[in-house]
Amino acid sequence: QVQHVQSGAEVKKPGASVKVSCKASGYTFIAYYIHWVRQAPGQGLEWMGWIDPNTGGTNYAQNFQGRVTMTRDTSITTAYMELSSLTSDDTAVYYCARGPRTSVDVWGKGTTVTVSS
Amino acid sequence: QSALTQPASVSGSPGQSITISCTGTSGDVGAYNYVSWSQQHPGKAPKLIIYDVNNRPSGVSNRFSGSKSGNTASLTISGLQAEDEADYYCYSYTSSSTGVFGTGTKVTVL
Repeated sequence: QVQHVQSGAEVKKPGASVKVSCKASGYTFIAYYIHWVRQAPGQGLEWMGWIDPNTGGTNYAQNFQGRVTMTRDTSITTAYMELSSLTSDDTAVYYCARGPRTSVDVWGKGTTVTVSS
Repeated sequence: QSALTQPASVSGSPGQSITISCTGTSGDVGAYNYVSWSQQHPGKAPKLIIYDVNNRPSGVSNRFSGSKSGNTASLTISGLQAEDEADYYCYSYTSSSTGVFGTGTKVTVL
């Protein structure tokens, strides 16, 4: 079945970077985009950007421009999201999800990132 | 890109129908028929229930339906059940080839 297995929880200090992985299985990895979405505690969903695993092309939300980098390794069907210059406002659950460019369908279980000094 | 606007909460009794609105702009909701809806239970990942305005993925109950008029999309849940109590988020593709979520709606079954 289609699934995305994400890396484990992270605790980072302010100013550091975090890199979250998302291993896809059960479908043709390069046939769908990977979207990244985050959810701060008690808050709503925030779209961060997508990567096209076929070409490596990306598009990021304006709020994250210059601070987020999305990459992929097609040999191991894994996508990555790296967020730099972390602050406490970046404390959230980070989800990867498959989709066409126009929507998000199958989600991973999420990775908790805590930023604390 | 501002979040799409949803009511903070909607409630209904078992068996009733409720509708959740999702208001955007001519650059997102109004621009394409690419509005989707996801359901999220506490502590769980979201689950897609409607895509491309009014299409249900395989396995999703036909009690869920979607529609759109102008810059506003809507999700209707008919025959409300206790298991429908959750948060619901709309999502739209935008003219910048990005995505944007709604503010989220908490559905309570009375």
